Amino acid sequence: DAGVTQSPTHLIKTRGQQVTLRCSPKSGHDTVSWYQQALGQGPQFIFQYYEEEERQRGNFPDRFSGHQFPNYSSELNVNALLLGDSALYLCASSLDYTYEQYFGPGTRLTVT
Amino acid sequence: QQQVKQSPQSLIVQKGGISIINCAYENTAFDYFPWYQQFPGKGPALLIAIRPDVSEKKEGRFTISFNKSAKQFSLHIMDSQPGDSATYFCAASRMDSSYKLIFGSGTRLLVRP
Repeated sequence: DAGVTQSPTHLIKTRGQQVTLRCSPKSGHDTVSWYQQALGQGPQFIFQYYEEEERQRGNFPDRFSGHQFPNYSSELNVNALLLGDSALYLCASSLDYTYEQYFGPGTRLTVT
Repeated sequence: QQQVKQSPQSLIVQKGGISIINCAYENTAFDYFPWYQQFPGKGPALLIAIRPDVSEKKEGRFTISFNKSAKQFSLHIMDSQPGDSATYFCAASRMDSSYKLIFGSGTRLLVRP
């Protein structure tokens, strides 16, 4: 049973560019949440997708957007990258109406 | 506004000792309190979790103690091992907030052999 997978593992982008990160949830899960983890800090909630719609959003600007596909996989898009967007981006999957969230290994984004 | 406060920031324990990490929360609407373990370069792994109707939960060497009136909960790692060296995060979530996790700032645990 595959766990949560994310791609790519690492990414280096330049300020002003756009980036797309991908996530495949754990088998049987239908809900995907994205978190940003800055170095030395706890993860911060970006948004959650369920039934291909954004269900809840954290305190992140509109430069952060996402999508969920019919197979429950998800993408996180960040436009107009800033140096401060450098972080580990984590995807967590869960089954709707349950508390347990399982994280993937993350994508390390570096903005130069 | 930091809704979950975690302490200490770092902890050094001898092998075989007890590691204790504490968290305090502000929002009494939280109804689920998990602990995550994160190794360098990896995503957080769900370790153990508790609901507020229970005061203690034990799984192997890991125990959560929960004090609803004080709005505090803690993780105890018994017989700490060098392999337990990692960063530990407490978190809280609410069913009526789509279960989104609010994390503490983390505790870096080092278990000396």
